[in-house]
Amino acid sequence: AQTVTQSQPEMSVQEAETVTLSCTYDTSESDYYLFWYKQPPSRQMILVIRQEAYKQQNATENRFSVNFQKAAKSFSLKISDSQLGDAAMYFCAYRMDSNYQLIWGAGTKLIIKP
Amino acid sequence: NAGVMQNPRHLVRRRGQEARLRCSPMKGHSHVYWYRQLPEEGLKFMVYLQKENIIDESGMPKERFSAEFPKEGPSILRIQQVVRGDSAAYFCASSPRASPTGELFFGEGSRLTVL
Repeated sequence: AQTVTQSQPEMSVQEAETVTLSCTYDTSESDYYLFWYKQPPSRQMILVIRQEAYKQQNATENRFSVNFQKAAKSFSLKISDSQLGDAAMYFCAYRMDSNYQLIWGAGTKLIIKP
Repeated sequence: NAGVMQNPRHLVRRRGQEARLRCSPMKGHSHVYWYRQLPEEGLKFMVYLQKENIIDESGMPKERFSAEFPKEGPSILRIQQVVRGDSAAYFCASSPRASPTGELFFGEGSRLTVL
C-alpha cells in the first residue's frame, strides 16, 4: 500500500529566510503524481505545487520549489524568502496515475517568525 | 467562476442526530470527492461520485454514512445517528474528469461537532 510520511510535525523559520519541508513516500508504481497543499487557518486546501513522476525536472512556482528524488522516494518543498502569509499546515500528497485517490501525509505546521 | 462551495461551514449535532453536509462542485466539474480530516491528521478519502453514480465508496464507514450526487443539485454527505467520533472536518473536492492530471479543487470544508 502507498504511504506518505512527513517527519516534521512543526517547523519554524525567520521571515525572509528559506525553509525546507520533508516528505517521503512508499510506492511500487512508476507513474504517479506528488503534491504539496497548504492549509491556512481558514482551513481551505490550496494547491502549492505538483510534480509528475515521469518528469525529471523539479517543479517550481515562484518562491516554491521541490526537490524530487524518485529513487529515494523523497519529495521536499523549499520555500524561499518566507513571508508571514506562508504560515500554515503543509500537506504532502500522492496519487497514482491510474487512481483518483489522494494519499496524504500527516502535515507539517510552518511557523513564520517576524 | 465560483469555487467548490460547501455548507454549512460549521454544524453542531447531539449524539443520535443526523448530519447533512452539502457540496456544490466547481462549474463544469462532474466528479466529486469527499474527504475527512481528523484533528492533527491529513485527509482520508471517503467516497468518489459522479452524477447519479457512486464510483468508489471504499473509504466510507459501512454503517450510518451515505453519499449521493443527484442529477440536479449538490452532492450530499449524510451521517445518521452521529457519535462523538464523527467530529471532524469534511472536505469536498471536485474535478472536471475521471482521471485528472492531478489537481483536485477543494472547498473550505464543513466542521462537524458532535456533543
